[in-house]
Amino acid sequence: AQTVTQSQPEMSVQEAETVTLSCTYDTSESDYYLFWYKQPPSRQMILVIRQEAYKQQNATENRFSVNFQKAAKSFSLKISDSQLGDAAMYFCALAGGTSYGKLTFGQGTILTVHP
Amino acid sequence: GAVVSQHPSWVICKSGTSVKIECRSLDFQATTMFWYRQFPKQSLMLMATSNEGSKATYEQGVEKDKFLINHASLTLSTLTVTSAHPEDSSFYICSAAGGIVSYEQYFGPGTRLTVT
Repeated sequence: AQTVTQSQPEMSVQEAETVTLSCTYDTSESDYYLFWYKQPPSRQMILVIRQEAYKQQNATENRFSVNFQKAAKSFSLKISDSQLGDAAMYFCALAGGTSYGKLTFGQGTILTVHP
Repeated sequence: GAVVSQHPSWVICKSGTSVKIECRSLDFQATTMFWYRQFPKQSLMLMATSNEGSKATYEQGVEKDKFLINHASLTLSTLTVTSAHPEDSSFYICSAAGGIVSYEQYFGPGTRLTVT
């Protein structure tokens, strides 16, 4: 079985500052993919960033970057220069093995951005 | 690309009636579609996985006879909530896989179901 754990139910950050959201996971698969999704108040799920487990280099998308520690099974998301529009619920997710498309989600972290 | 639509976005129905929610992949063929349920401020709970032309695979604890899923084509899957009750009120989200990035799911905007 695969598990994803987000230990921070809520986080807050000042506008323009940096915040890191934590995620740990467990899987017996050797080939898997990790994702961070954002769900704003509209509730539309938006892909923020993805990481293939076989790649050692941490993924980066503009202000969003990850710290992927494969041995520790850790996959944190760093948001730099936080903006008001970053306020949302963030989900860490894992897809792996023979059922690549099936996602296992973490509990989510609600991010508040203060002006 | 990789756009998924859901219809309706919000539906209110009376207890005991059935309601159908449609999920369409607009610009790609979805080999697999997924249905999730989400309560406020909680994570997404996978209900079932459907592949075109075959029976859906339901997650443990999900009532197959209450939540009927049909994946009739590579661009359309439907979820029918039969004999709905107030406890079925929730936010239902579909997603589709099979786009350019085969392992990635593309999410619909969700459907809010309220059963009175």
